Amino acid sequence: DAGITQSPRYKITETGRQVTLMCHQTWSHSYMFWYRQDLGHGLRLIYYSAAADITDKGEVPDGYVVSRSKTENFPLTLESATRSQTSVYFCASSEVAEGKNIQYFGAGTRLSVL
Amino acid sequence: KQEVTQIPAALSVPEGENLVLNCSFTDSAIYNLQWFRQDPGKGLTSLLLIQSSQREQTSGRLNASLDKSSGRSTLYIAASQPGDSATYLCAVPGGYQKVTFGIGTKLQVIP
Repeated sequence: DAGITQSPRYKITETGRQVTLMCHQTWSHSYMFWYRQDLGHGLRLIYYSAAADITDKGEVPDGYVVSRSKTENFPLTLESATRSQTSVYFCASSEVAEGKNIQYFGAGTRLSVL
Repeated sequence: KQEVTQIPAALSVPEGENLVLNCSFTDSAIYNLQWFRQDPGKGLTSLLLIQSSQREQTSGRLNASLDKSSGRSTLYIAASQPGDSATYLCAVPGGYQKVTFGIGTKLQVIP
């Protein structure tokens, strides 16, 4: 199916464990993004990537690591999960076409850190 | 740094009413502005995108307007229905295709 696929959709883990959230897109968009969504804060950018092997920090990068060895994949790793990282995580990709910057979102991963 | 504010934070209206959701942004140098809908526990669905050169964009019962000079956009929903109940997010792209989101307006349409 075309689009952005996130996995898993739900994850429960314990404090201190490493967790990787997967994101795959089928369009070959250059830009990809990871956001977290929390009550009262809206969507906040964690990391973004302009192309394969090019990544940069967003607004709230601490405690997260990303990689982008292939254009279509952009995994997000929590190296040592903390309770404050309990959140809903969204992956997105974007394209600029005819002067429009359009964002496309995955369905999200709901992560609980106990 | 771009800041996006949405007012009101929550809105409850009876079915059939016309309503307006507001979005304001601090940096008027924008490519375009995008309105999204988010249902509880779901991802974001794009509703409308207005380019910086446009003033309005329409899709069915939805109409979005953009006033770059004043840093404002409105989403007008005509003849609201219970199925319109959701959170509506305003999003403004900036450099490196990064997007700044408002916190959203939670809409409840009462049958």
